[in-house]
Amino acid sequence: GAGVSQSPRYKVTKRGQDVALRCDPISGHVSLYWYRQALGQGPEFLTYFNYEAQQDKSGLPNDRFSAERPEGSISTLTIQRTEQRDSAMYRCASTLSDTGELFFGEGSRLTVL
Amino acid sequence: DAKTTQPPSMDCAEGRAANLPCNHSTISGNEYVYWYRQIHSQGPQYIIHGLKNNETNEMASLIITEDRKSSTLILPHATLRDTAVYYCIVRAPEYGNKLVFGAGTILRVKS
Repeated sequence: GAGVSQSPRYKVTKRGQDVALRCDPISGHVSLYWYRQALGQGPEFLTYFNYEAQQDKSGLPNDRFSAERPEGSISTLTIQRTEQRDSAMYRCASTLSDTGELFFGEGSRLTVL
Repeated sequence: DAKTTQPPSMDCAEGRAANLPCNHSTISGNEYVYWYRQIHSQGPQYIIHGLKNNETNEMASLIITEDRKSSTLILPHATLRDTAVYYCIVRAPEYGNKLVFGAGTILRVKS
């Protein structure tokens, strides 16, 4: 596709359930980033990949959060045993090179009841 | 990454230039200044970046002071569609593309 595609766009789940959020980056983009954004705040870095290698996961809040990008393209962010505080917009971005120009998707809005 | 300080909000009249300031007094010699904006609930959008020279593209101009401790993003003729949150970010190349977003400046363009 022409841009970064994320699915689902909206996810409502009950506390304690696991959720998986998917990101399909722009074709050919080497690096893929996950951010989380609470209402009224700027995006907060979670983790990023170069190809299939997870380069930095320092922003993942705790061990309930994990991400993978097994073939260096599509990535999945998984949140286990969701809690209400996990409710946020989860944004994915990709980039072709090390220029600092990230292309963001429309995000996946997660609501944990 | 160096911290940045931006005013929480600004207003601008439609058709006039919008000048958005950013302070980054602890910036290091190899750190770049980036600007992104976020319109309503859309994903952030890259605008421009620079190291020490002023930069201009089709969207905006970036003016960096000689001591590099501050910069100004200029939208030359603001339109209602420029209403957004504008983020000033300082990035060191050795950290790759890991951008640290602050709270940004809410720019309201009014008719």
